[in-house]
Amino acid sequence: DAKTTQPTSMDCAEGRAANLPCNHSTISGNEYVYWYRQIHSQGPQYIIHGLKNNETNEMASLIITEDRKSSTLILPHATLRDTAVYYCIVRDGNSGNTPLVFGKGTRLSVIA
Amino acid sequence: GAGVSQTPSNKVTEKGKYVELRCDPISGHTALYWYRQSLGQGPEFLIYFQGTGAADDSGLPNDRFFAVRPEGSVSTLKIQRTERGDSAVYLCASSLTSLSGEAFFGQGTRLTVV
Repeated sequence: DAKTTQPTSMDCAEGRAANLPCNHSTISGNEYVYWYRQIHSQGPQYIIHGLKNNETNEMASLIITEDRKSSTLILPHATLRDTAVYYCIVRDGNSGNTPLVFGKGTRLSVIA
Repeated sequence: GAGVSQTPSNKVTEKGKYVELRCDPISGHTALYWYRQSLGQGPEFLIYFQGTGAADDSGLPNDRFFAVRPEGSVSTLKIQRTERGDSAVYLCASSLTSLSGEAFFGQGTRLTVV
C-alpha cells in the first residue's frame, strides 16, 4: 500500500507556481520522498527526490518539512505541458529490494 | 533510442490465449521492474529483477503470470490463459542499480483481452 496521501486533483493557472502537497506521516528515517509524474498515455517520469533537505533541479523544487511528515512539490512556472498525474512516493533508500509503490497521485490541470 | 523500449505497444488477444510482453531496458541498468496500470489507477508493482534473478515477485497476481530476464538485460512478461481482467497497460522500468530510486519507464504495452 502507498504510504502517502495526496489530493485527488488540482488546478493551476499557466505561468503560476503549482504547489502539490503530500502527507507521509509514517515515514521512517531511511525513507526518501520521490516524485514522479505521468503525462497522458506515457510512462511515469522521475522528477526529484529528497531525504531531509530541500532539493531543486531543472524541473522542480521539493520542500520537506522539518518533521518529514509532509512535503510539497513546486513547479515554479507551470505550463500546459505540466498537466499530468503527479505521484508522491516514499521508499527505503538503504534497501536494494524495495520497488516504488505508487498511489493514485494528484491530477494537475494547468489552465491557460 | 536510449530509453526503455517495450514491444508491442498494443496487443489484442482472445481470452484463454498466451501472451508475451517484451522489455528492453537502458543498457547497463541492472534493476528492472514490471508494473501494470488500470484506467484511473496508479501503476501497480508486479515483479522486480536485480540482474538475472527475480528479487521480489510479490506483486504477481497469480501463477498465470511469470517473468524472465535470462541474460540480465531484456525481460519478458508472460501471461498464460489470459482473462479479461488482465486488460491493462503493462509498464517496464529500469534503474542503474537497485538502490537508485530514479527509474526510467517505457511507454508501456496496452493489453486488451477480448
